Amino acid sequence: KAGVTQTPRYLIKTRGQQVTLSCSPISGHRSVSWYQQTPGQGLQFLFEYFSETQRNKGNFPGRFSGRQFSNSRSEMNVSTLELGDSALYLCASSLASGRATDTQYFGPGTRLTVL
Amino acid sequence: GDSVTQMEGPVTLSEEAFLTINCTYTATGYPSLFWYVQYPGEGLQLLLKATKADDKGSNKGFEATYRKETTSFHLEKGSVQVSDSAVYFCALSDPRNFGNEKLTFGTGTRLTIIP
Repeated sequence: KAGVTQTPRYLIKTRGQQVTLSCSPISGHRSVSWYQQTPGQGLQFLFEYFSETQRNKGNFPGRFSGRQFSNSRSEMNVSTLELGDSALYLCASSLASGRATDTQYFGPGTRLTVL
Repeated sequence: GDSVTQMEGPVTLSEEAFLTINCTYTATGYPSLFWYVQYPGEGLQLLLKATKADDKGSNKGFEATYRKETTSFHLEKGSVQVSDSAVYFCALSDPRNFGNEKLTFGTGTRLTIIP
């Protein structure tokens, strides 16, 4: 079974631009979560989508948004990029059966550099 | 809110040494606990997990036991190999929050094994 895929793997943008990252979950997984990883703040939860609805949200400004499509694929968008948005953005998917044994599986990440 | 405190790194050991990476947590409910590993340039891989008190997770020679009385989930391995060099993250999720789709991570511990 194919794992979680993220595209693109690397991105370079300038301040003020916007960016869209894509995530394809493992087949059959209904939930997609996004995380930001930086050397200073570590791994931080951005948001989670389930059945095309945002179900959980972390403490990030409104410039960070996302969506999920009917095939469970997800995109996240960052508008008006700032230097501090440079990070590895990780996507994770899970079955979301509601059981305590559910596990998140992570993609390789998209490395975003803001100049 | 929920939090995870991990042993500060970096940790450097010789091959075949015994490894312990400490992890303690704060949570209001009964969290599920995880150890993830990140190899250079890659995303996170689930190493092991435990979903209730006294459960022991194990994989690839690594073990961790869910200790509710000490709110701990320490990672151990009896004999480390050079290939174990990576960054290790302890994480928790609150299954009441629609499942395990929102992970709270520790800061990570960088492990280097010397031949």
